[in-house]
Amino acid sequence: EPEVTQTPSHQVTQMGQEVILRCVPISNHLYFYWYRQILGQKVEFLVSFYNNEISEKSEIFDDQFSVERPDGSNFTLKIRSTKLEDSAMYFCASSNDSPNSPLHFGNGTRLTVT
Amino acid sequence: ILNVEQSPQSLHVQEGDSTNFTCSFPSSNFYALHWYRWETAKSPEALFVMTLNGDEKKKGRISATLNTKEGYSYLYIKGSQPEDSATYLCALQNAGNNRKLIWGLGTSLAVNP
Repeated sequence: EPEVTQTPSHQVTQMGQEVILRCVPISNHLYFYWYRQILGQKVEFLVSFYNNEISEKSEIFDDQFSVERPDGSNFTLKIRSTKLEDSAMYFCASSNDSPNSPLHFGNGTRLTVT
Repeated sequence: ILNVEQSPQSLHVQEGDSTNFTCSFPSSNFYALHWYRWETAKSPEALFVMTLNGDEKKKGRISATLNTKEGYSYLYIKGSQPEDSATYLCALQNAGNNRKLIWGLGTSLAVNP
């Protein structure tokens, strides 16, 4: 069964550094997402992406964050200048075109900002 | 602020017990209610997406019901097995042609053999 893959599984970075989290969504899916979960808290929506542009973003997704689909298969999340509070598990997900289709998640990247 | 609540927060049952947990959500502007199962060190796995009031869905020993008028959904597990141990998350999708999900904190289920 096709799956969403994310790399790296764990990223440690220093405060102020840029990080890029990578995802390969399921190939025939059209919607892509980034969610995150800070330890002990709820899963939070960051951004959805469709037709090569952001379709919705949350208030968390400020100017420090950006997403890109550089080559038709990868879907990346960039954090320009990481803060301690960006430490979290970041999940990529994809879904097909049906409006109430379930999300298919990757295994996540654990980002630790020191 | 939209809030999705799940109860109980955690649950310990014996193998063979049947169990259920609740997801509560604001009923206005409802579009769909998602249930996911999340095992430790794995990714969340979709169980059900429910849209219609009174909807009931079943997958093996797991089933779910939906009441959109009063804003709740129940997830039932019949004859729990140790492999059912996981966190069960519900998430609300609101109307308005958006795909954003608003998540509950989850119910952590531990099934003792």
